[in-house]
Amino acid sequence: EVQLQESGPGLVKPSQSLSLTCSVTGYSITSNYWGWIRKFPGNKMEWIGHISYSGSTSYNPSLKSRISITRDTSKNQFFLQLNSVTTEDTATYYCASAKRYWDFAYWGQGTLVTVSS
Amino acid sequence: DIQMTQSPPSLSASLGETVSIECRASEDIYSNLAWYQQKSGKSPQLLIYYASSLQDGVPSRFSGSGSGTQYSLKISGMQPEDEGVYYCLQGSKYPPTFGSGTKLEIK
Repeated sequence: EVQLQESGPGLVKPSQSLSLTCSVTGYSITSNYWGWIRKFPGNKMEWIGHISYSGSTSYNPSLKSRISITRDTSKNQFFLQLNSVTTEDTATYYCASAKRYWDFAYWGQGTLVTVSS
Repeated sequence: DIQMTQSPPSLSASLGETVSIECRASEDIYSNLAWYQQKSGKSPQLLIYYASSLQDGVPSRFSGSGSGTQYSLKISGMQPEDEGVYYCLQGSKYPPTFGSGTKLEIK
């Protein structure tokens, strides 16, 4: 069974960096696409970006200057770093897996990240 | 970015009623569309991909249709466990973009 689990701090100060880890079991991250999605208060959903089976990355242009997605295949984990956060980055962050980069069949449970001083 | 206009924002349905949710894309997305259900406090669940293909394990009362810029999700016979927020997501062009969501409740 494929399982994903997000981990990282739940509180980040403005202007600092948000760093999250997604740990995957039951499937190798050298197959499929591995993405980050966030849900803002009020239901709006946003695709943040992904890292592919080959290690290539794609990012949402709205965040491109601030984000980095990397992976550690030896630990079957992938990571999100979002720099220079503001209160508008407060959201529940999900990691998820897709066959075609948009059909996310497996999701983590989500982690709420609050940006506040 | 491709804009996804989803309607209605909210919906109340009786048990057994048939429900439809619509998504309109700002340009042709060639059926590269998925539908997700998110129950309260849970992660989203993939229901439909490629506009009309049912994801494994999803009840057959869920169906998707559409082409070009217009797509719909139908629930044939509303059940209590179908309450939640439903989203469409286009995958035709980067970045993938979501609809604004439809909150579905039992009447």
